[in-house]
Amino acid sequence: NAGVTQTPKFRVLKTGQSMTLLCAQDMNHEYMYWYRQDPGMGLRLIHYSVGEGTTAKGEVPDGYNVSRLKKQNFLLGLESAAPSQTSVYFCASSYGSRYEQYFGPGTRLTVT
Amino acid sequence: EDKVVQSPLSLVVHEGDTVTLNCSYEVTNFRSLLWYKQEKKAPTFLFMLTSSGIEKKSGRLSSILDKKELFSILNITATQTGDSAIYLCAVKNSGGSNYKLTFGKGTLLTVNP
Repeated sequence: NAGVTQTPKFRVLKTGQSMTLLCAQDMNHEYMYWYRQDPGMGLRLIHYSVGEGTTAKGEVPDGYNVSRLKKQNFLLGLESAAPSQTSVYFCASSYGSRYEQYFGPGTRLTVT
Repeated sequence: EDKVVQSPLSLVVHEGDTVTLNCSYEVTNFRSLLWYKQEKKAPTFLFMLTSSGIEKKSGRLSSILDKKELFSILNITATQTGDSAIYLCAVKNSGGSNYKLTFGKGTLLTVNP
């Protein structure tokens, strides 16, 4: 049981490049989330999904897109990376909206 | 706007000390409060509190919620160097059928031998 996994672990992008972060969970959770964590800002919700085929905006969605084509996977896309998107990105999942969230190990992204 | 404030922002103690971490909140439609421990990587779940005045306990860690005064505390007794981490407080509210989680900025705890 791997829990929540994220790939890649690290990535360096140049401004304007695009990339996709992959989150996978093997706990059969319905809800999945993408957060970013910045120094002094805490964890902020980017987008979330309440089930396969659904997505919704969180607190800081601008510049990001997401897709949930399969229940176990939640993808976060950056179409045109900006230095302000330098951050650590965490994926999380939960059984339902009333349950605790389990986090992946994070992806450290640097945009130069 | 929902708000979660943790104090202190950082704390340095010696092994064996007892620490109390604070979390106050202002959210609409409060559902529950959660505590997480974050070492080098992923935050790991500690407690979820939904009812006022009921202590949750796990080993040397315990937490309690006061819904009237809108705060929670996390206590760690007989601290060990392995307790060094960032402790995150988060509050879940209910917006329609989807429950949003708002995090505080965390308390960095350093336990020295």
